[in-house]
Amino acid sequence: GENVEQHPSTLSVQEGDSAVIKCTYSDSASNYFPWYKQELGKGPQLIIDIRSNVGEKKDQRIAVTLNKTAKHFSLHITETQPEDSAVYFCAASNNAGNMLTFGGGTRLMVKP
Amino acid sequence: DAGVIQSPRHEVTEMGQEVTLRCKPISGHNSLFWYRQTMMRGLELLIYFNNNVPIDDSGMPEDRFSAKMPNASFSTLKIQPSEPRDSAVYFCASKQATNSYEQYFGPGTRLTVT
Repeated sequence: GENVEQHPSTLSVQEGDSAVIKCTYSDSASNYFPWYKQELGKGPQLIIDIRSNVGEKKDQRIAVTLNKTAKHFSLHITETQPEDSAVYFCAASNNAGNMLTFGGGTRLMVKP
Repeated sequence: DAGVIQSPRHEVTEMGQEVTLRCKPISGHNSLFWYRQTMMRGLELLIYFNNNVPIDDSGMPEDRFSAKMPNASFSTLKIQPSEPRDSAVYFCASKQATNSYEQYFGPGTRLTVT
């Protein structure tokens, strides 16, 4: 089955700096890669996703890049703010977003 | 529109007791997912339904776990008998079965089995 590895497990940045979180996946049939943000005591919230037919997608301060050949994808957050502090999860799916396999999570801390 | 609704938000029970977790998906969504989140194993898919029919339950850990979806607006996850190792946060998520890949998560139920 699919295996998703996520790095780093914790990331501390200064407000205004950029943050990058990286994931690798094992199943070459995976074609959907969402990123979720989870705040304390809440459920994961989808922040951005990408399908395998594109290499990059951007939404304001957040961007995701995908390298299908290398089987890795990354989340980029620019101009970080304290409210970006949370746990971020990457995931992969090979059947229309149904069977999501999650990475282990990255705890992002943005220092004011 | 209301998001995914889960109840109860917190459940504390003793080992051996039956536990029932409830979920109401977003109206119009016809795929529903149950996940478990623990520090050791992260977020794991337990089972998912399409149009009230269980499609994949390979993530259900043991026969003590069962899930049902009697109609499009309600699902339950039952653990009987419960054990301390079942302590976790259980999430329900829903999505449209067609033309959408996005899953929307509920707030979760924190289960503690003593």
